This record gives sequence, C-alpha cells and structure tokens, in this order.
Amino acid sequence: EPEVTQTPSHQVTQMGQEVILRCVPISNHLYFYWYRQILGQKVEFLVSFYNNEISEKSEIFDDQFSVERPDGSNFTLKIRSTKLEDSAMYFCASSEALGVQETQYFGPGTRLLVL
Amino acid sequence: DAKTTQPPSMDCAEGRAANLPCNHSTISGNEYVYWYRQIHSQGPQYIIHGLKNNETNEMASLIITEDRKSSTLILPHATLRDTAVYYCIVRVALGGFKTIFGAGTRLFVKA
Repeated sequence: EPEVTQTPSHQVTQMGQEVILRCVPISNHLYFYWYRQILGQKVEFLVSFYNNEISEKSEIFDDQFSVERPDGSNFTLKIRSTKLEDSAMYFCASSEALGVQETQYFGPGTRLLVL
Repeated sequence: DAKTTQPPSMDCAEGRAANLPCNHSTISGNEYVYWYRQIHSQGPQYIIHGLKNNETNEMASLIITEDRKSSTLILPHATLRDTAVYYCIVRVALGGFKTIFGAGTRLFVKA
C-alpha cells in the first residue's frame, strides 16, 4: 500500500540554524500539507500546497518557513532560522483530491529538536 | 477551532466493541465526518469518513445520526494495538482544505 514517507525521522539542530525536512508524498497525489505537533499538544496545520503554489497557510507559517516541491517526488519544509519553540513533530500529508471526498494521508513524522 | 466534541478518554476491554462518540452539532451540509487515530507520536492514521450514510471498512464502522449532529466510530473487536488517540473531524472534502484536529478521545484497550 502506498505511503507518505519522511526523512529524517529525527533531527537535532542548534538555534538559529536552517533545517530542511523532506517528504515523499504518495505518487499520484496532487495536494500536499505540513502539520506540526508540539509535545503534548494538538496537531496544528501549517500549510497546504497545490500546483506549485501555497493554497493556504496558518499564522504559524511565518517568513521563517518555506515549502518547495523541487522535483516530481519530493516536498520539503524549510525553517530558515530555527527557534527553541520550533521543537515539535512535523507531519507531511498528501491527498489525491480528484473530485470530491479528499482524504489526507499522513507520514510518520520528523521529530525536530532545537537546542 | 475544532467543530467537534469528544470525551477525553475511554476504556474498552480487549475483544469487545469500542464505541467512540462525537458531537458536531454545527456541521454544514457540505462537510464530511472524518475519523483519524494517532498511536503514540506516530502520524495520524486515516480510519474512515462519511457524509450522511453509515459507512464500514476493514478497520471500523461509522454511524452518523439522521440529523448529522453526532456520530459514533465503532471498532468491532478492539485489540491492544487499537490503544490510541481518536480524532473526529468535520471538514469539506475538497483538496487544499486544512484538517483541524481537536484533542480527541484517548482510548485505552485493556486485556
């Protein structure tokens, strides 16, 4: 069964450093998303992406964040200058979304720890 | 904010049916009911979704009331591996729409 994959599974970085989280969505999917979950808190929406453009972004997704689909398979989230409060699990999701009844499928996540 | 209300936790005996309720009294006509679960800190796992008819798949059944203001997710024979946080979500089923997660129901399946 096709799955969303994410790399790395864990990332430790120093405050102020740039990090890139990578995702490989399910191959025929057209919509891509990033969510995050701070330890002990709810899963929060960050951004949605379609046709090489951001469809929607949350207040969390400020100028320090960017997304890119650099090739036909990868979808990346970049944090330019990490802060302590960026420590969280980051989940990528994708959906096929042809017609109605779109279902988002989530990857296993990247645990980011900012020191 | 999430448009659903779920009990914070529930217990279920292994092998018995787990019935997880959800209230969504402000659901709009074009919104579907989705259920996901999250085991420990893994990525949310899709379970099932529906609009107004009851739905069943290999994982669970979804019962939606006629007025669509509430629903119940049924795991017919719960196992220890079903211990997880279960999220009831209402959303438009079109691409690009964000999924808003609430706190969910923490289901403990006990031997």
